[in-house]
Amino acid sequence: DAGVTQSPTHLIKTRGQQVTLRCSPKSGHDTVSWYQQALGQGPQFIFQYYEEEERQRGNFPDRFSGHQFPNYSSELNVNALLLGDSALYLCASSQRGSFQPQHFGDGTRLSIL
Amino acid sequence: AQSVTQLDSQVPVFEEAPVELRCNYSSSVSVYLFWYVQYPNQGLQLLLKYLSGSTLVKGINGFEAEFNKSQTSFHLRKPSVHISDTAEYFCAVSVGNNDMRFGAGTRLTVKP
Repeated sequence: DAGVTQSPTHLIKTRGQQVTLRCSPKSGHDTVSWYQQALGQGPQFIFQYYEEEERQRGNFPDRFSGHQFPNYSSELNVNALLLGDSALYLCASSQRGSFQPQHFGDGTRLSIL
Repeated sequence: AQSVTQLDSQVPVFEEAPVELRCNYSSSVSVYLFWYVQYPNQGLQLLLKYLSGSTLVKGINGFEAEFNKSQTSFHLRKPSVHISDTAEYFCAVSVGNNDMRFGAGTRLTVKP
């Protein structure tokens, strides 16, 4: 039973570019959340998707957007990249309805030059 | 909105000694509480959770935590640590909507 998988593992971009990160949830999970973890800090909630719609959003600008597909996989898009966007981006999945802890992937390390 | 404060950014301890990592939370409603561990270059792994019931929660790898509602705390403990417990530990809170708020983390370093 595969857990949460994220791709790519590492990514290097330059300021102003756009990036797309991908996440496949754990089998049986239908809800995907994205977090940004800057170096030396705890994860910060970006947004959550369920039934292909953004359901909740943290304090992140509109440059951060996402999508969820019918198979529950998800993408995180970041436009007009800034140096401060350098971070580990974590995807977590869970099952809606009955409260269960979120399961995390190993993340995508995004470096902005 | 709910929030979490981890009171120690770093905790050094010798192997086989006991350890306590402190966590306080703030919320106007009932909460669910979690501890996650993060090893280098990896995602977060769930150690234990408090949803309801007994305030003493046992998790994996010999860790346990106690929910104290009056002190709004959820401290993590282990009676005897190993070198392999060296990692970053995160306390997290949720009000049941799957929106988790994390603390800044505590780096546990176990020395031989």
